[in-house]
Amino acid sequence: DSGVTQTPKHLITATGQRVTLRCSPRSGDLSVYWYQQSLDQGLQFLIQYYNGEERAKGNILERFSAQQFPDLHSELNLSSLELGDSALYFCASSVRTGIAYEQYFGPGTRLTVT
Amino acid sequence: AQKITQTQPGMFVQEKEAVTLDCTYDTSDPSYGLFWYKQPSSGEMIFLIYQGSYDQQNATEGRYSLNFQKARKSANLVISASQLGDSAMYFCAMREGQGDYKLSFGAGTTVTVRA
Repeated sequence: DSGVTQTPKHLITATGQRVTLRCSPRSGDLSVYWYQQSLDQGLQFLIQYYNGEERAKGNILERFSAQQFPDLHSELNLSSLELGDSALYFCASSVRTGIAYEQYFGPGTRLTVT
Repeated sequence: AQKITQTQPGMFVQEKEAVTLDCTYDTSDPSYGLFWYKQPSSGEMIFLIYQGSYDQQNATEGRYSLNFQKARKSANLVISASQLGDSAMYFCAMREGQGDYKLSFGAGTTVTVRA
């Protein structure tokens, strides 16, 4: 158990809908990262927050947004869902941001868009 | 260009034998970190080992060791004394010192340990 929690574990929804994925980082970790794992794209970085502020953006679609709250939990919002958004979404956390700080991953949320 | 290349899509290894998973990377940044993660069939990503670009010694963590050859830009993972529980997908990842510390992942290598 990495100490990072993600809810829900599974989500099935229809095209055009909106969903919210939730992540609670390990106790004391200030940095939260979101990744998407799909069969065709592999593991891709989406966005990073550090202590409530957006730090870096990767291949995140405009239909997707995220935020980190004062209690450091984070939410990833996916809207106008398409079939291609079906993937495993991971949240990871690290105590600080920096080269040497390993990221601990949550169990992931498996999103299926039908 | 691909930052991380894992050329072995799948490997079989006999229980109790060692296995080496290849990883090459591409960066012009002198400061970077290399990571290996394990993803069992249950889906979670488990951190295994870390190597910094300035580290003089190869990293080791229990049965895992990282064969770091900086000039060749390779960071191969060696798993010694394989166990059935080592069957999983293994990902090599890199973090570069450019201010955002995301991980760039390779495509992964599936390891199947045979009894």
